[in-house]
Amino acid sequence: SAVISQKPSRDICQRGTSLTIQCQVDSQVTMMFWYRQQPGQSLTLIATANQGSEATYESGFVIDKFPISRPNLTFSTLTVSNMSPEDSSIYLCSVGLRRSYNEQFFGPGTRLTVL
Amino acid sequence: GENVEQHPSTLSVQEGDSAVIKCTYSDSASNYFPWYKQELGKRPQLIIDIRSNVGEKKDQRIAVTLNKTAKHFSLHITETQPEDSAVYFCAAQRFGNEKLTFGTGTRLTIIP
Repeated sequence: SAVISQKPSRDICQRGTSLTIQCQVDSQVTMMFWYRQQPGQSLTLIATANQGSEATYESGFVIDKFPISRPNLTFSTLTVSNMSPEDSSIYLCSVGLRRSYNEQFFGPGTRLTVL
Repeated sequence: GENVEQHPSTLSVQEGDSAVIKCTYSDSASNYFPWYKQELGKRPQLIIDIRSNVGEKKDQRIAVTLNKTAKHFSLHITETQPEDSAVYFCAAQRFGNEKLTFGTGTRLTIIP
């Protein structure tokens, strides 16, 4: 599997501000994804980060709130904009290695608390 | 879209006994079914997966079975150990689509 890192690992932010989360992979990957995991809950896909084009967002998530960049095949960012306490969650990136059947591997996550 | 149901939500078993977690999926075009283990404060880790052309797969103490007709798949852990305590998530992926749809998770507790 690939080595996946995320920055920051955690942050405490004030409402109304924005936070950008970085995801770095040690090898080129075709697919990168961003998930949200609220406390005690399952993983919910926010969007697929496409290299060289706009991200593909899932129902309930919009670009204005969660802008995503994917400048190359090893890096992506997710911004959580105009934050409210409801955005407090763990945000995880994952990568699809396309080794055989599209296994996905997760980064360590970013724990966000919004006051 | 795909919907994945997972049961039970919590499961406690005596150390050494077996644990079984079941998932059902709605999209008959789904063909890839991974299982993830998430320990407290850690990232989800892929522990085993199965493709739709296979009925069963084993890896030491863990196994996954798939029933395509009934659209359900199960995780079996034998000879459970305290380190098996974690939250387990099943997921499904539709052929030609990279996205995973996750189940709601099962909190497994192994009682020493």
